[in-house]
Amino acid sequence: AQSVTQPDIHITVSEGASLELRCNYSYGATPYLFWYVQSPGQGLQLLLKYFSGDTLVQGIKGFEAEFKRSQSSFNLRKPSVHWSDAAEYFCAVGWHNYGQNFVFGPGTRLSVLP
Amino acid sequence: DGGITQSPKYLFRKEGQNVTLSCEQNLNHDAMYWYRQDPGQGLRLIYYSQIVNDFQKGDIAEGYSVSREKKESFPLTVTSAQKNPTAFYLCASSIDDRDISNQPQHFGDGTRLSIL
Repeated sequence: AQSVTQPDIHITVSEGASLELRCNYSYGATPYLFWYVQSPGQGLQLLLKYFSGDTLVQGIKGFEAEFKRSQSSFNLRKPSVHWSDAAEYFCAVGWHNYGQNFVFGPGTRLSVLP
Repeated sequence: DGGITQSPKYLFRKEGQNVTLSCEQNLNHDAMYWYRQDPGQGLRLIYYSQIVNDFQKGDIAEGYSVSREKKESFPLTVTSAQKNPTAFYLCASSIDDRDISNQPQHFGDGTRLSIL
């Protein structure tokens, strides 16, 4: 079955430091890839998505992500973290016409130190 | 402003009682979804609907039921058969009824259900 892993349950970074959140998926077919962010007690907001083309995609709030087919990864990055980026981040993967259409990862909680 | 409205924000259920969570969208989206969120488990799909009067089970449909009588509404009933209903429930929608695997989803702000 398809699966999505986010190896880091919780990450803490200092404000102004760079950030990378990891996401890996299990199935080999070309997937559709998404990153969402969730603030406490709220719903999820789309940060960015990748379908095809340039493997480095830009999103909102200064985030970017890179698709690496050889590593089945879609890692999220930000060069300089702000205190307001503290939230939970979810990677999601969609597969066309294969079993369940999409799966969310378990999430990574980001804390930001002042 | 267009969006998804979930109500109530907090809901309490007694043992053996059915409860219904409301989800309304004014985005004119065709597809709608219900997720359950538990700490450390991400989002798990309960049901989804790609078109009015049709819906499909997700990974954890047991103990839940849905209806889709109108495009803008997708209520979720948590039945007494759901033995562990305490969770955060999220409703989402996406724009069309074709391949949902490639569509970003728009989320409501959730309903937190607790057992009394």
